[in-house]
Amino acid sequence: GAVVSQHPSRVICKSGTSVKIECRSLDFQATTMFWYRQFPKKSLMLMATSNEGSKATYEQGVEKDKFLINHASLTLSTLTVTSAHPEDSSFYICSASRSADYGTGELFFGEGSRLTVL
Amino acid sequence: TQLLEQSPQFLSIQEGENLTVYCNSSSVFSSLQWYRQEPGEGPVLLVTVVTGGEVKKLKRLTFQFGDARKDSSLHITAAQPGDTGLYLCAGVKYNFNKFYFGSGTKLNVKP
Repeated sequence: GAVVSQHPSRVICKSGTSVKIECRSLDFQATTMFWYRQFPKKSLMLMATSNEGSKATYEQGVEKDKFLINHASLTLSTLTVTSAHPEDSSFYICSASRSADYGTGELFFGEGSRLTVL
Repeated sequence: TQLLEQSPQFLSIQEGENLTVYCNSSSVFSSLQWYRQEPGEGPVLLVTVVTGGEVKKLKRLTFQFGDARKDSSLHITAAQPGDTGLYLCAGVKYNFNKFYFGSGTKLNVKP
């Protein structure tokens, strides 16, 4: 159980286009999902916290108009990279927490999405 | 800047050697987790520590949470090539439901 699926796993797009990445919790309800960005051989940088039915909370320095996050249901969150540029090329990973009460919940990660902007 | 700093950043050792990875912060966390990540994949949870001073063992891996819940360590005994990967610590902040990842430690165990 506790499977998180991300799609697409790889996407290549032209500069100026928008790309949508989906994150689904397949066998549990995820009230909260997290979006991370990871550069080669680097750690995960939290971009935003996505709560079902409300606006995402973005970390400092992350452009919310650039990275649109929607969490319309308890099993789906989407990240849309708008007007992508080569510097947006990165590995984007989503995660979901089943039970984060008292701060002990485990994070379940998607497979990640490799975005390459030409 | 990272909320959690890991050291060392890179570690290349021979099979059979022991090693320790450190995860330090000036912040207090309600819990701390260690993950291992393979290239091109999402991280996989190894352990969660909750109580200050807690020690958990997972086969050859020993995890410790600092008394003040600001730091943690991961010790691997008799490392194997299969231990190769990126090790990440992640701290969870009280009441914020946020997970912050450490800077990562890239481990390479040579046969």
